[in-house]
Amino acid sequence: NAGVTQTPKFRILKIGQSMTLQCAQDMNHNYMYWYRQDPGMGLKLIYYSVGAGITDKGEVPNGYNVSRSTTEDFPLRLELAAPSQTSVYFCASSVTTGSTEAFFGQGTRLTVV
Amino acid sequence: KQEVTQIPAALSVPEGENLVLNCSFTDSAIYNLQWFRQDPGKGLTSLLLIQSSQREQTSGRLNASLDKSSGRSTLYIAASQPGDSATYLCAGAGDTGRRALTFGSGTRLQVQP
Repeated sequence: NAGVTQTPKFRILKIGQSMTLQCAQDMNHNYMYWYRQDPGMGLKLIYYSVGAGITDKGEVPNGYNVSRSTTEDFPLRLELAAPSQTSVYFCASSVTTGSTEAFFGQGTRLTVV
Repeated sequence: KQEVTQIPAALSVPEGENLVLNCSFTDSAIYNLQWFRQDPGKGLTSLLLIQSSQREQTSGRLNASLDKSSGRSTLYIAASQPGDSATYLCAGAGDTGRRALTFGSGTRLQVQP
């Protein structure tokens, strides 16, 4: 029972490099989210998707891009990495009806040097 | 814009004590409220979910309440144990289509043996 799976778990990037954080869920959830967590803080919403082909910005979208070509996958792309993007990134998913409980992946710890 | 505040930021108690963690939110139009546990360097584990129509939820030694009119939620932990040591996060899901969570900064709990 995988739930929400994120890869990689850790990554060090140099300033100006790009990378894609992968997120996959096997619960057939239509809603998916990307959050970032800075030290000692709560999580902030970067992007979200309400279904395949539909994405929208959250609170802190600058420097990131997303796509949602399938229900299962929701990758987050960092272009031209900056030290301010050093953070822990969490992917989450939920359904729109019923309990709407959000399920989270284990996170990707990214350091930009 | 929803804002979520958690008090206290840190708490240290002896084993066996009953304790209350507080969460307040500014916008009463929330869809649900979730409490999470986060261990150092780990992901988020969902503890309790309270729908907006509910007043409380219980799971084992945990009880969470929700008062939308006052903008408050509490997490009650009975007979605390050293294994309860972690950061506890509360998050409210907005009453709009995206259902994204707005997080507090967390309460860091240390239970002394």
